[in-house]
Amino acid sequence: KQEVTQIPAALSVPEGENLVLNCSFTDSAIYNLQWFRQDPGKGLTSLLLIQSSQREQTSGRLNASLDKSSGRSTLYIAASQPGDSATYLCAPFTGGGNKLTFGTGTQLKVEL
Amino acid sequence: DAMVIQNPRYQVTQFGKPVTLSCSQTLNHNVMYWYQQKSSQAPKLLFHYYDKDFNNEADTPDNFQSRRPNTSFCFLDIRSPGLGDAAMYLCATSREYRISTYEQYFGPGTRLTVT
Repeated sequence: KQEVTQIPAALSVPEGENLVLNCSFTDSAIYNLQWFRQDPGKGLTSLLLIQSSQREQTSGRLNASLDKSSGRSTLYIAASQPGDSATYLCAPFTGGGNKLTFGTGTQLKVEL
Repeated sequence: DAMVIQNPRYQVTQFGKPVTLSCSQTLNHNVMYWYQQKSSQAPKLLFHYYDKDFNNEADTPDNFQSRRPNTSFCFLDIRSPGLGDAAMYLCATSREYRISTYEQYFGPGTRLTVT
C-alpha cells in the first residue's frame, strides 16, 4: 500500500525566500506524480504533473523534480509571495490507473 | 469558465437524514472521482466512474453510493450520514483511465456538516 509523507508539515517564511517542499513515497512503482495547491476551505488546484520518464517539470516560479528510485519528489518555489500561502499536496499515481494517493500536505505561510 | 462544478458548496444535514451532493463537468472527461477529505487529513478516494463503469474502493462504507446518469453529471449519495461523515467532498475528473499522462482536475468541493 502506497504511503506518502510530506515534510515539513508547516512552514512560515518571509516574502522573497526560495523554498523547497519535500514529498516521499514508499512504493516507487509509480507512473507519474501530481502536485496540488489547496487554499483554506477550497478544492485542489493542479500545479504540475511530472511524467515517470521526466526528472523535472517547471511552471513559472515552480519547479518539481522526481526521483522514482529513491521515492522522492521536491517542489521548489522561487521568490515566494504572500499569495503562495496555501497547503501544498503531492500525489503519486499508483495502482495501474489514475489512482492518486495523497500526502497530508505542507501548510505554507509567506509573510510580508 | 468553470470546468468542474460542485453543488452545493456547503451542505448541512441532520444525523441519519439522506443527502445528495452533485458534481458536473464541462470537460467531457470519461472518468469522474469522489474523494473525502476530513479536517487536516489527506483526500481519500471513495470511488470512481470510468464512463458508466462504477469502481468502489475496498474500504468505502456501504453508506456511500454514487450515480452517474450521463457523462457530465455524477452524484454522491450518503444514505444515513453520521457525525463521522462530516468532511469536504471533492469531485475530480480525468480524460482517460489507466493513462497516467492525464492529470486530474478538481472541483471546489462541498463542505458537509452533520448535526
